[in-house]
Amino acid sequence: QSALTQPASVSGSPGQSITISCTGTSSDVGGYNYVSWYQQHPGKAPKLMIYDVSNRPSGVSNRFSGSKSGNTASLTISGLQAEDEADYYCTSYTSSSTYVFGTGTKVTVL
Amino acid sequence: EVQLVESGGGLVQPGGSVRLSCAASGFTFSDYWMSWVRQPPGKGLEWVANIKPDGSEEHYVDSVKGRFTISRDNAKNSLYLQMNSLRAEDTAVYYCARTEVATAGGSYWGQGTLVTVSS
Repeated sequence: QSALTQPASVSGSPGQSITISCTGTSSDVGGYNYVSWYQQHPGKAPKLMIYDVSNRPSGVSNRFSGSKSGNTASLTISGLQAEDEADYYCTSYTSSSTYVFGTGTKVTVL
Repeated sequence: EVQLVESGGGLVQPGGSVRLSCAASGFTFSDYWMSWVRQPPGKGLEWVANIKPDGSEEHYVDSVKGRFTISRDNAKNSLYLQMNSLRAEDTAVYYCARTEVATAGGSYWGQGTLVTVSS
């Protein structure tokens, strides 16, 4: 199972919106509405930000939103803030009843 | 308060074995799927395995099938990962996570335990 493809880095200025893509196949991202997104700050455990493509867990800011089209999922962060600077990973359920993570994206707030 | 505390990591020789434990508290452990996720130093996340609440179903990433075994003891509120035939590429921080939805980890994670496979 190959890792999902994410851009290595994305940057934006405070207040701007950025979008991170996550590309898989019809056997994972395209086949199921079980795409999640995690935020990870250095030295910390990952934090669930989005599940089931577009749902936010309780307590996660509504500046974070998710979507999917075909084999590509996306995470959008609006009103970018300094605290959003972190690594972001997508993950998807697969046809093998397993999960696969994306390659990870480093978000930099300029 | 939900808490997950991993233990059992350390330095292991190639070909060796180690058993990781994850002690859970603050929730009804037997109600939830549980997962192991690992992260090699300086690299990305990799889902390793998960297990059904009653222990009757397990799933593994291909790279650990036949070498790793996930298990749980609901009476002890504990999750385990038995790791055999260890390789250098198994070196990573291993996290346990409570899995509430269909995802690789979940909303609650432990602090992680480092397993280093080296001679």
